[in-house]
Amino acid sequence: QKEVEQDPGPLSVPEGAIVSLNCTYSNSAFQYFMWYRQYSRKGPELLMYTYSSGNKEDGRFTAQVDKSSKYISLFIRDSQPSDSATYLCAMTPYSGAGSYQLTFGKGTKLSVIP
Amino acid sequence: ETGVTQTPRHLVMGMTNKKSLKCEQHLGHNAMYWYKQSAKKPLELMFVYSLEERVENNSVPSRFSPECPNSSHLFLHLHTLQPEDSALYLCASSPGNSYEQYFGPGTRLTVT
Repeated sequence: QKEVEQDPGPLSVPEGAIVSLNCTYSNSAFQYFMWYRQYSRKGPELLMYTYSSGNKEDGRFTAQVDKSSKYISLFIRDSQPSDSATYLCAMTPYSGAGSYQLTFGKGTKLSVIP
Repeated sequence: ETGVTQTPRHLVMGMTNKKSLKCEQHLGHNAMYWYKQSAKKPLELMFVYSLEERVENNSVPSRFSPECPNSSHLFLHLHTLQPEDSALYLCASSPGNSYEQYFGPGTRLTVT
């Protein structure tokens, strides 16, 4: 079983839709969870960071972690064509200087159609 | 535009060639990373350089050789590569070893 599972898509939605992106994981030691966004021909950029279980909101984006189910989600409200990108989940059991040791999902490619 | 630049952006090389990838960060960070991104695979951390440590992923073949002459520059020296090494090679930096990494645009490498 892979450590982190993420549906690669592609996922195509109309502008204004609510998007749900998800990852599941098997390692219960993971404590810190991130979402990176990668536009075409660009490197990934950190979008959201959450610690342990719960929700975190930043504008149109909400990151959700359910450690009991080993399941994390990223919700995008009022999706825009500029949200079209590949979204990578990442996680680590470590804080501080060890937190660079990330396990990534394969990424989900999202297209928001005007 | 991010503060991490990579050159070249595209590289085609034969299996017997030797080439180098260059990364430069202008963010004042003191940790730098090389990642490999292959189609339909997760990002794979290859090497880490920081004040605290140098870390190598033991699964990375010796035909990849990193060099970090200072905290702003990172190189990846390539020799006798295989076609399966074709991928996007990403450089990243962070303020100390951290999940908060800033990526460059990558070098698209094709090995023929």
